[in-house]
Amino acid sequence: QVQLVQSGAEVKKPGASVKVSCKASGYTFTGYYMHWVRQAPGQGLEWMGWINPNSGGTNYAQKFQGRVTMTRDTSISTAYMELSRLRSDDTAVYYCARAKTTVTTFLGYWGQGTLVTVSS
Amino acid sequence: DIQMTQSPSSLSASVGDRVTITCRASQGISNSLAWYQQKPGKAPKLLLYAASRLESGVPSRFSGSGSGTDYTLTISSLQPEDFATYYCQQYYSTPFFGQGTKLEIK
Repeated sequence: QVQLVQSGAEVKKPGASVKVSCKASGYTFTGYYMHWVRQAPGQGLEWMGWINPNSGGTNYAQKFQGRVTMTRDTSISTAYMELSRLRSDDTAVYYCARAKTTVTTFLGYWGQGTLVTVSS
Repeated sequence: DIQMTQSPSSLSASVGDRVTITCRASQGISNSLAWYQQKPGKAPKLLLYAASRLESGVPSRFSGSGSGTDYTLTISSLQPEDFATYYCQQYYSTPFFGQGTKLEIK
């Protein structure tokens, strides 16, 4: 069965960077785009971007361009999301989520989420 | 970006009620719409895609409809486990979520 297991909670200071990992299992890692979605406390879902694990190609939401980098390591079926120049309003749960199919961008499988707290 | 406006933002209902949640896109999205359910402290769960296709394992009391810019999620007879927050997402272009509808027990 498809599983996405994310790294643990992080506490960072403003201006720092955070890198969250998402280890995939139960399917061919390079066959499906991996997306990242975040959710600030008490707020809705915000799409951040995707990575094509096969090619490494990325597509970032305009809001995060220049601050987010999505990478992958195919040898260990793991995707990464790094967010730099952190601000207090980046405090959120960050989810990785796999596209349901190879050709669409709705999200059929989700990681458990990683809480990133930005505080001085 | 094609933005999604979801309504209502919250809704109180009773077990057994029929409820409808609406999403309106800022332009036509050709049925490229998914619905998710999220319970507190949990990741979202896919309920429907392509506006009306039920994800495997999702109860048939959930249904979706719509076309063009206007779409609805209907729960035909609310069960206790359905009290949650629901989100729509368009995937016609750069993915974008609606603001969410919190469904609470009356």
